[in-house]
Amino acid sequence: AAGVIQSPRHLIKEKRETATLKCYPIPRHDTVYWYQQGPGQDPQFLISFYEKMQSDKGSIPDRFSAQQFSDYHSELNMSSLELGDSALYFCASSEDITGANVLTFGAGSRLTVL
Amino acid sequence: QQQVKQSPQSLIVQKGGISIINCAYENTAFDYFPWYQQFPGKGPALLIAIRPDVSEKKEGRFTISFNKSAKQFSLHIMDSQPGDSATYFCAALQGANFGNEKLTFGTGTRLTIIP
Repeated sequence: AAGVIQSPRHLIKEKRETATLKCYPIPRHDTVYWYQQGPGQDPQFLISFYEKMQSDKGSIPDRFSAQQFSDYHSELNMSSLELGDSALYFCASSEDITGANVLTFGAGSRLTVL
Repeated sequence: QQQVKQSPQSLIVQKGGISIINCAYENTAFDYFPWYQQFPGKGPALLIAIRPDVSEKKEGRFTISFNKSAKQFSLHIMDSQPGDSATYFCAALQGANFGNEKLTFGTGTRLTIIP
């Protein structure tokens, strides 16, 4: 079965640089979520998109932006990177089925900021 | 402020024993409570979930117990196996019927099953 694909799996950047993470949801899933997981921490919700429109926003810094494209893939853009941005970034997707909710997570993109 | 509180932070259980992880929440608007299992380097995977109109749900060796009045829910893993060693996150969701969900995660429990 197709899963959520994230790329790149690992990324190393310097402070103040820019990084872009990509997420390809499961086919026919119309909602994409981005989460940030720091070392030893629980995943924190950043932002979500439903049918290519931003549907909810969590604790996402102003330096970060995201969008969902016509093919439903999503990109998370991070600028002016800081050391504290080093984390695992997970994308998840779900299908809008009333009465049921299954978020399927990707394997994550590990960002290291030096 | 942690909206979903999870305990214990780490747990060691002997093979064949029962692993119990507890969560408590404050927001009474939460209406869907999933548990996720995460192995190192992997994304969280849905294990089992419950709605507040049910007090217990069982799937194989995994059982969720839900106490709506106490705003608490717990995961029980029966006959725990070394392959169950992972980090477990409880989560809560508001608006599960509207296709606009976001999860609030607990802080995680690192479970280790020893032979």
